[in-house]
Amino acid sequence: QSALTQPPSASGSPGQSVTISCTGTSSDVGDYNYVSWYQQHPGKAPKVMLYEVNKRPSGVPDRFSGSKSGNTASLTVSGLQAEDEAEYYCSSYVGSNNPYVVFGGGTKLTVL
Amino acid sequence: QVQLVQSGAEVKKPGASVKVSCTASGYMFSTYDINWVRQATGQGLEWMGWMNPNNGNTDYAQTFQGRVTMTRDISINAAYMELSSLRSEDTAVYYCARARSPDVFDIWGQGTVVTVAS
Repeated sequence: QSALTQPPSASGSPGQSVTISCTGTSSDVGDYNYVSWYQQHPGKAPKVMLYEVNKRPSGVPDRFSGSKSGNTASLTVSGLQAEDEAEYYCSSYVGSNNPYVVFGGGTKLTVL
Repeated sequence: QVQLVQSGAEVKKPGASVKVSCTASGYMFSTYDINWVRQATGQGLEWMGWMNPNNGNTDYAQTFQGRVTMTRDISINAAYMELSSLRSEDTAVYYCARARSPDVFDIWGQGTVVTVAS
């Protein structure tokens, strides 16, 4: 149950696009399409932005999109806005005899 | 509205136990699993385990096996997470989260700060 790997930081200017990666293994990200992304502002609880790799919950702008290739999932934020500045965490659900969830270490997204 | 409300901050001594509550409202409590996630100051999210409120079944992260117990009281729509043998490294914000499906934590509690200090 090792943590997924994310870059510690990412940045972009307003209006630009930025992509954050999330690398796991063939036992988690690579084996299941159960990757979610969470946004967390300082002092607040996380908020789900994407689930099952690329599905958006109601109310999440379509500027947020997701993809997966092999053991790496990605979150892309297009048309960056100031309010997108936050910490982003990926997670993977691993279904097995003893199912579990593993998170990434988090990526601080800065809007320049 | 749909929400999870957690109990207040706790200060515990090393070796003690802490029990955090999470009360659901606005939906049928027994329908969705409740997960527990913790976050040490300045650190990332760490999944602790989940509980099925309908039957009380649980799954715990290997890291917490033997130290964590998740229970519920259906009559008051409450879930509980008890962590024992506390050490300073357990100082963190503890969140409960509803799992709309196994991989989607769609509703989160406000978090409970647990401080372990002598």
